[in-house]
Amino acid sequence: EVQLEESGGGLAQPGGSLRLSCVASGFTFTDHHMNWVRQAPGRGLEWVAYITTSAFHMKYPDSVTGRFTISRDNAKNSLFLQMNNLRVDDTAVYYCVREVVGVGFDYWGQGTVVTVSS
Amino acid sequence: DIQMTQSPSTLSASVGGRVTITCRASQSISTWLAWYQQKPGKAPKLLIFRASSLESGVPSRFSGSGSGTEFTLTISSLQPDDFATYYCQEYSGYSRTFGQGTKVEIK
Repeated sequence: EVQLEESGGGLAQPGGSLRLSCVASGFTFTDHHMNWVRQAPGRGLEWVAYITTSAFHMKYPDSVTGRFTISRDNAKNSLFLQMNNLRVDDTAVYYCVREVVGVGFDYWGQGTVVTVSS
Repeated sequence: DIQMTQSPSTLSASVGGRVTITCRASQSISTWLAWYQQKPGKAPKLLIFRASSLESGVPSRFSGSGSGTEFTLTISSLQPDDFATYYCQEYSGYSRTFGQGTKVEIK
Protein backbone atom coordinates (compact mmCIF):
# COMPACT_ATOMS: atom_id res chain seq x y z
CA GLU A 1 0.00 0.00 0.00
CA VAL A 2 1.32 3.41 -0.98
CA GLN A 3 1.82 5.66 2.02
CA LEU A 4 3.12 9.22 2.33
CA GLU A 5 3.55 10.48 5.88
CA GLU A 6 4.35 14.14 6.45
CA SER A 7 5.79 15.68 9.60
CA GLY A 8 7.43 18.88 10.73
CA GLY A 9 4.50 21.24 10.67
CA GLY A 10 3.76 23.59 13.52
CA LEU A 11 3.80 27.20 14.58
CA ALA A 12 6.45 29.57 13.28
CA GLN A 13 6.93 33.31 13.54
CA PRO A 14 7.03 35.56 10.49
CA GLY A 15 10.57 35.48 9.15
CA GLY A 16 11.19 32.10 10.74
CA SER A 17 11.93 28.68 9.28
CA LEU A 18 10.45 25.20 9.26
CA ARG A 19 11.53 21.95 7.61
CA LEU A 20 8.85 19.53 6.47
CA SER A 21 9.58 15.85 5.94
CA CYS A 22 7.71 13.12 4.11
CA VAL A 23 8.49 9.42 4.39
CA ALA A 24 7.29 7.28 1.50
CA SER A 25 6.53 3.57 1.57
CA GLY A 26 4.79 0.92 -0.49
CA PHE A 27 6.37 1.87 -3.82
CA THR A 28 9.75 2.42 -5.47
CA PHE A 29 10.52 5.99 -4.42
CA THR A 30 13.19 6.49 -7.08
CA ASP A 31 10.64 5.84 -9.86
CA HIS A 32 8.65 8.98 -9.07
CA HIS A 33 8.99 12.73 -9.26
CA MET A 34 7.63 14.29 -6.08
CA ASN A 35 5.86 17.50 -5.16
CA TRP A 36 4.61 19.62 -2.29
CA VAL A 37 1.16 21.19 -2.54
CA ARG A 38 -0.44 23.48 0.02
CA GLN A 39 -3.93 24.64 0.84
CA ALA A 40 -4.58 27.72 2.95
CA PRO A 41 -7.69 27.70 5.15
CA GLY A 42 -10.79 27.99 2.96
CA ARG A 43 -8.70 28.41 -0.19
CA GLY A 44 -7.75 26.36 -3.22
CA LEU A 45 -4.81 24.12 -3.97
CA GLU A 46 -1.43 25.72 -4.62
CA TRP A 47 1.52 23.73 -5.97
CA VAL A 48 4.71 24.88 -4.19
CA ALA A 49 7.58 22.62 -5.26
CA TYR A 50 8.60 19.87 -7.68
CA ILE A 51 11.65 17.60 -7.77
CA THR A 52 12.65 14.99 -10.31
CA THR A 53 13.57 11.41 -9.44
CA SER A 54 17.31 12.08 -9.23
CA ALA A 55 16.92 15.62 -7.86
CA PHE A 56 18.43 16.96 -11.07
CA HIS A 57 15.61 19.46 -11.56
CA MET A 58 13.57 21.45 -9.06
CA LYS A 59 10.87 24.02 -9.78
CA TYR A 60 8.86 26.47 -7.70
CA PRO A 61 6.13 29.06 -8.31
CA ASP A 62 7.06 32.72 -7.92
CA SER A 63 5.29 32.88 -4.53
CA VAL A 64 7.96 30.73 -2.83
CA THR A 65 11.01 31.00 -5.11
CA GLY A 66 14.06 32.00 -3.10
CA ARG A 67 12.43 31.05 0.21
CA PHE A 68 11.53 27.34 -0.14
CA THR A 69 13.84 24.49 -1.13
CA ILE A 70 12.73 21.00 -2.01
CA SER A 71 15.08 18.05 -1.63
CA ARG A 72 14.99 14.28 -1.37
CA ASP A 73 17.02 11.45 0.13
CA ASN A 74 16.41 8.44 -2.08
CA ALA A 75 18.31 6.13 0.28
CA LYS A 76 15.79 6.96 3.01
CA ASN A 77 12.68 7.24 0.82
CA SER A 78 12.26 10.77 2.10
CA LEU A 79 11.18 14.13 0.72
CA PHE A 80 11.83 17.47 2.37
CA LEU A 81 10.72 21.08 2.14
CA GLN A 82 12.91 23.71 3.77
CA MET A 83 10.86 26.86 4.30
CA ASN A 84 12.70 30.07 5.19
CA ASN A 85 11.61 33.66 5.66
CA LEU A 86 8.08 32.46 6.37
CA ARG A 87 5.14 34.81 5.88
CA VAL A 88 1.67 34.84 7.41
CA ASP A 89 0.24 33.84 4.02
CA ASP A 90 2.33 30.63 4.05
CA THR A 91 -0.15 29.32 6.64
CA ALA A 92 -1.68 26.18 5.13
CA VAL A 93 -1.92 22.43 5.13
CA TYR A 94 1.10 21.09 3.24
CA TYR A 95 0.73 17.85 1.28
CA CYS A 96 3.46 15.52 0.07
CA VAL A 97 2.38 14.23 -3.34
CA ARG A 98 3.56 11.47 -5.65
CA GLU A 99 3.57 12.10 -9.36
CA VAL A 100 3.27 9.62 -12.21
CA VAL A 101 4.90 10.85 -15.42
CA GLY A 102 2.31 11.91 -17.95
CA VAL A 103 -0.54 11.29 -15.51
CA GLY A 104 -0.38 13.69 -12.58
CA PHE A 105 -0.65 13.45 -8.83
CA ASP A 106 -1.95 10.01 -7.91
CA TYR A 107 -1.17 9.70 -4.18
CA TRP A 108 -1.34 12.38 -1.50
CA GLY A 109 -0.27 12.35 2.13
CA GLN A 110 -2.66 13.32 4.90
CA GLY A 111 -1.05 16.76 5.20
CA THR A 112 0.82 18.66 7.90
CA VAL A 113 -0.37 22.01 9.23
CA VAL A 114 1.91 25.04 9.13
CA THR A 115 0.82 28.17 10.98
CA VAL A 116 2.80 31.39 10.65
CA SER A 117 1.83 33.92 13.26
CA SER A 118 3.38 36.29 15.75
CA ASP B 1 4.63 30.55 -15.59
CA ILE B 2 1.41 29.19 -17.04
CA GLN B 3 -1.81 30.48 -15.48
CA MET B 4 -4.91 28.30 -15.22
CA THR B 5 -8.38 29.87 -15.06
CA GLN B 6 -11.44 27.84 -14.14
CA SER B 7 -15.07 28.81 -14.55
CA PRO B 8 -17.45 29.05 -12.91
CA SER B 9 -16.07 29.32 -9.38
CA THR B 10 -19.32 27.92 -7.98
CA LEU B 11 -22.25 26.17 -9.58
CA SER B 12 -25.51 24.77 -8.28
CA ALA B 13 -26.90 21.62 -9.83
CA SER B 14 -29.46 18.93 -9.13
CA VAL B 15 -28.94 15.22 -8.70
CA GLY B 16 -29.16 13.69 -12.18
CA GLY B 17 -28.18 16.92 -13.86
CA ARG B 18 -25.34 17.51 -16.29
CA VAL B 19 -22.40 19.63 -15.16
CA THR B 20 -19.66 21.23 -17.25
CA ILE B 21 -16.60 22.98 -15.83
CA THR B 22 -14.18 24.91 -18.02
CA CYS B 23 -10.45 25.41 -17.60
CA ARG B 24 -8.32 27.75 -19.70
CA ALA B 25 -4.53 27.81 -19.87
CA SER B 26 -2.61 31.04 -20.52
CA GLN B 27 -0.60 29.22 -23.20
CA SER B 28 -0.84 25.91 -25.02
CA ILE B 29 -0.32 22.86 -22.82
CA SER B 30 -1.25 20.26 -25.46
CA THR B 31 -3.20 17.68 -23.43
CA TRP B 32 -1.05 17.87 -20.28
CA LEU B 33 -4.02 18.49 -18.03
CA ALA B 34 -5.50 16.67 -15.05
CA TRP B 35 -8.71 17.07 -13.08
CA TYR B 36 -9.08 16.43 -9.34
CA GLN B 37 -12.00 16.17 -6.94
CA GLN B 38 -11.68 17.33 -3.36
CA LYS B 39 -14.12 16.91 -0.49
CA PRO B 40 -13.90 18.92 2.75
CA GLY B 41 -11.09 17.78 5.03
CA LYS B 42 -9.79 15.26 2.50
CA ALA B 43 -6.86 15.14 0.09
CA PRO B 44 -7.71 15.59 -3.59
CA LYS B 45 -8.44 12.60 -5.80
CA LEU B 46 -7.25 12.26 -9.39
CA LEU B 47 -10.15 11.86 -11.84
CA ILE B 48 -8.83 12.57 -15.35
CA PHE B 49 -5.32 12.74 -16.84
CA ARG B 50 -4.01 13.68 -20.29
CA ALA B 51 -7.15 15.81 -20.60
CA SER B 52 -9.48 12.92 -21.39
CA SER B 53 -8.18 9.67 -19.84
CA LEU B 54 -10.21 8.33 -16.94
CA GLU B 55 -8.21 7.29 -13.88
CA SER B 56 -8.78 3.69 -12.80
CA GLY B 57 -11.82 3.31 -10.55
CA VAL B 58 -13.40 6.64 -11.49
CA PRO B 59 -17.03 6.35 -12.64
CA SER B 60 -17.68 6.72 -16.36
CA ARG B 61 -20.07 9.63 -15.76
CA PHE B 62 -16.91 11.76 -15.50
CA SER B 63 -15.30 12.77 -18.78
CA GLY B 64 -12.76 15.30 -19.95
CA SER B 65 -12.03 16.94 -23.26
CA GLY B 66 -9.95 19.64 -24.87
CA SER B 67 -6.44 20.43 -25.98
CA GLY B 68 -4.20 23.45 -26.33
CA THR B 69 -5.71 26.08 -24.04
CA GLU B 70 -9.37 25.08 -23.58
CA PHE B 71 -10.53 22.12 -21.51
CA THR B 72 -13.76 20.85 -19.98
CA LEU B 73 -14.75 18.41 -17.28
CA THR B 74 -18.26 16.99 -17.65
CA ILE B 75 -20.30 15.01 -15.16
CA SER B 76 -23.08 13.45 -17.18
CA SER B 77 -25.51 12.62 -14.38
CA LEU B 78 -24.64 14.22 -11.06
CA GLN B 79 -24.75 11.89 -8.07
CA PRO B 80 -24.92 12.84 -4.37
CA ASP B 81 -21.29 11.77 -3.93
CA ASP B 82 -20.18 14.25 -6.61
CA PHE B 83 -20.86 17.40 -4.63
CA ALA B 84 -17.32 18.63 -4.06
CA THR B 85 -14.72 21.06 -5.37
CA TYR B 86 -12.99 20.33 -8.66
CA TYR B 87 -9.56 21.55 -9.78
CA CYS B 88 -7.76 21.45 -13.08
CA GLN B 89 -3.96 21.26 -13.17
CA GLU B 90 -1.42 21.66 -15.95
CA TYR B 91 1.80 19.67 -16.08
CA SER B 92 3.27 20.66 -19.42
CA GLY B 93 6.76 21.66 -18.25
CA TYR B 94 8.28 21.67 -14.80
CA SER B 95 5.50 23.75 -13.23
CA ARG B 96 2.32 22.11 -11.94
CA THR B 97 -0.18 24.95 -11.66
CA PHE B 98 -3.74 24.42 -10.42
CA GLY B 99 -6.84 26.32 -11.37
CA GLN B 100 -8.63 28.15 -8.58
CA GLY B 101 -11.31 25.48 -8.22
CA THR B 102 -15.03 25.04 -8.92
CA LYS B 103 -17.37 24.19 -6.08
CA VAL B 104 -20.36 22.08 -7.11
CA GLU B 105 -23.25 22.63 -4.74
CA ILE B 106 -26.67 21.05 -4.37
CA LYS B 107 -29.48 22.99 -6.03
